[in-house]
Amino acid sequence: AQKITQTQPGMFVQEKEAVTLDCTYDTSDPSYGLFWYKQPSSGEMIFLIYQGSYDQQNATEGRYSLNFQKARKSANLVISASQLGDSAMYFCAMRENTGNQFYFGTGTSLTVIP
Amino acid sequence: EAQVTQNPRYLITVTGKKLTVTCSQNMNHEYMSWYRQDPGLGLRQIYYSMNVEVTDKGDVPEGYKVSRKEKRNFPLILESPSPNQTSLYFCASSLLGNNYNSPLHFGNGTRLTVT
Repeated sequence: AQKITQTQPGMFVQEKEAVTLDCTYDTSDPSYGLFWYKQPSSGEMIFLIYQGSYDQQNATEGRYSLNFQKARKSANLVISASQLGDSAMYFCAMRENTGNQFYFGTGTSLTVIP
Repeated sequence: EAQVTQNPRYLITVTGKKLTVTCSQNMNHEYMSWYRQDPGLGLRQIYYSMNVEVTDKGDVPEGYKVSRKEKRNFPLILESPSPNQTSLYFCASSLLGNNYNSPLHFGNGTRLTVT
């Protein structure tokens, strides 16, 4: 079974609008961390935001927030007030406490339309 | 500047010719790992290291070797590259080896083509 599932291969959003990128995960470990990364067309991987499994509040970092629904095992990334520079590939990732591996989803390509 | 440095950025080689992709981090991170990125497959972990002299296989280790003789360096070795190893490779490090809270910091990637 896939540890991380991103079901949206591509998304479009109008500039200044908000967009939600979906991520679901699969684990039986009660302790885990969830991460989102951005990969612009230049290729580098940029860490955006982190959510721990025991965190009571949804993580926020500037225009990025994580909609964490533990019972549904989802960790959706919300980007508010989209900018042209947000056009990129976005990856969701997880690391479990019991394991030493990071698991990545297949990514969502976001295009911001002027 | 805190960073993960991998070299080379681009590499074209022929089947069977041994190659090494270097990776170095200056952040005193315990955890280091290698990934390959292929279209439609996301990033898949090749090998990881929890600390010096401690390495383990990820999901796709076949055809690759690694070593961790020093904390800062984690080279990826392809003893006999094949065309199916054509990919974009990333080295990454994380501060704490046994802490699931630590995010990965990535190098800029190495695009490898094996003909």
